[in-house]
Amino acid sequence: GQQVMQIPQYQHVQEGEDFTTYCNSSTTLSNIQWYKQRPGGHPVFLIQLVKSGEVKKQKRLTFQFGEAKKNSSLHITATQTTDVGTYFCAEYTGANSKLTFGKGITLSVRP
Amino acid sequence: NAGVTQTPKFRILKIGQSMTLQCTQDMNHNYMYWYRQDPGMGLKLIYYSVGAGITDKGEVPNGYNVSRSTTEDFPLRLELAAPSQTSVYFCASSPGRFQETQYFGPGTRLLVL
Repeated sequence: GQQVMQIPQYQHVQEGEDFTTYCNSSTTLSNIQWYKQRPGGHPVFLIQLVKSGEVKKQKRLTFQFGEAKKNSSLHITATQTTDVGTYFCAEYTGANSKLTFGKGITLSVRP
Repeated sequence: NAGVTQTPKFRILKIGQSMTLQCTQDMNHNYMYWYRQDPGMGLKLIYYSVGAGITDKGEVPNGYNVSRSTTEDFPLRLELAAPSQTSVYFCASSPGRFQETQYFGPGTRLLVL
């Protein structure tokens, strides 16, 4: 089935540095969602992207959907310790109402 | 609204024991889901339901059963616990088709020894 891939699984940054991570697929995605899970917490919905080339911003977070709809990126400007957590991308398939998650990237931020 | 609630928060089971993980949502959502999360493996869908009386298998259904007798409740049953079922289990709900945001419960941490 459709798979979304997130590599690497871990990244460490110094507070204040920018951070970018990618979500890739070998086939065209109908849409992409991003979730954040804080340590010990549960996934929380961040954003959904549907259109080719779509860009959405949430404060210091910028999400982009690739022109070919085969990849998506999450960029965090000037990371803070509150950005720590695991970020998952997921594709929603409306035909059977399911989300297929990537394995996630765990971000740690050194103060 | 309490959102999605799950009980228990943590449980230790012996091999071969049975238990039911409870999930309730008060948002009148039609769609509900059960996931398991293992370290480094993301979230795997176990079962899901698109409405009361309707359930379907996800990616990893073996060893589990579900029922959906009401809109609010979606319990997950483990009949014969095995060490491979040690995991964190999340229940989620969403309003329905084309309203795709999923709202997750706080999770149940299960240890099978």
